[in-house]
Order: sequence, then structure tokens, then C-alpha cells
Amino acid sequence: NAGVTQTPKFQVLKTGQSMTLQCAQDMNHEYMSWYRQDPGMGLRLIHYSVGAGITDQGEVPNGYNVSRSTTEDFPLRLLSAAPSQTSVYFCASSARRGAEAFFGQGTRLTVV
Amino acid sequence: TQLLEQSPQFLSIQEGENLTVYCNSSSVFSSLQWYRQEPGEGPVLLVTVVTGGEVKKLKRLTFQFGDARKDSSLHITAAQPGDTGLYLCAGPLLGNAGKSTFGDGTTLTVKP
Repeated sequence: NAGVTQTPKFQVLKTGQSMTLQCAQDMNHEYMSWYRQDPGMGLRLIHYSVGAGITDQGEVPNGYNVSRSTTEDFPLRLLSAAPSQTSVYFCASSARRGAEAFFGQGTRLTVV
Repeated sequence: TQLLEQSPQFLSIQEGENLTVYCNSSSVFSSLQWYRQEPGEGPVLLVTVVTGGEVKKLKRLTFQFGDARKDSSLHITAAQPGDTGLYLCAGPLLGNAGKSTFGDGTTLTVKP
């Protein structure tokens, strides 16, 4: 049972570099989301998708892009990394609005 | 502005004690979810409450959804060290498809 798979688990970037965080789910869920979690804080929504080809902004979208070309995959792109993007990133999927969200194990990103 | 306010932010108690954590909002939610997150892992769903006034029990955990669907509480009876973790409430805003918001969480430590 893979569930939600995120890669990589850890990443160090230099300021200005770009990279893509990968997220894949094998549960045929329509809804997928990206969150960031900073120390002492809950999860803040970056971008979300309600189905293939449909994406929308969350609470903190600046500096990030997403696309949803398939139901399974929802990559998050950092365009030009900044130290303020140092965080733990979680991808989640759910079968429908308001249903249980299944989370990946997270990607710990450090931007130096 | 945080849509879901959780209190207390930190709670440290002895094994066997009872505790209650709160999740409050000025907005109405169609449902609320409670998650527990352990270090290095993604959040895992504990329960979803849907109906105003609803009470759900999960072993020693009791969850309540306010009558007006703006608040929720989690009560733990006879806490155990295994209950240690970050407790998060989350929910989709009424009428807002696909977008779920999280509170900042309550960090619970149960000492043996």
C-alpha cells in the first residue's frame, strides 16, 4: 500500500536554484494539496487541485508553481529558492472535498 | 489571520491526567477533522465530525463539534505517553470547494 509518495525526503538548495518536489498517489483520489509546515505552526496550504488539469492557489502560493497533468501526480516547483522557503513540505490527497486527507512523509527542504 | 485557532499551543501533563484541547473559529465549517502528527511523519486522521453537536468517541478520546459548527474540542481521558504528539484540527470552509485550512496545532507531551 504505497498511498502518497513524496520525493526527495531531504534536499538542500542554494538561494536562486530551482527544483521540483514530486508527489504521487495510487488511490485514484481527485483532490491533491501541497502544504508547508514551519516550526511551531500548523500546515499552510500552498496550492491545491480538485482534479486533473485544475489547480488553484492556497494561502501561501508565492514562489511556487504546480501542475496536474494526471490524477496520480502533483509536482510542486520552486522557481527561485529563497531562505524563507526552508520548511517541511507535505503533499496530501483525498477522495473528495472534506474527506480524510492522506499525507506523504514530507520533504525537508533547506535553502542556504 | 488564522481561520482555526487552537489552544493551548503547548500542553505537558503526567500520565493518567485528563486534558481538553480546543479548536475555534468565527467561520462555519461543513466538517472538522482532527489529526495527530508524530515527529518526522505526516498527520494521520483521528476523526471527522460533520453534524453540529455531534460527539464521537475513539477509545479514550472524545471529540465534540459545536452546535453552530464553528468550534470543536478533543478530550483525552487518562492520557498515556503514546498520546504524545501534535494535534491538528482542519476543515473545509463552507462553500469553498477543495480548500481545507489547518490550525496551528497543540503539542501534547505526556510524561510517564
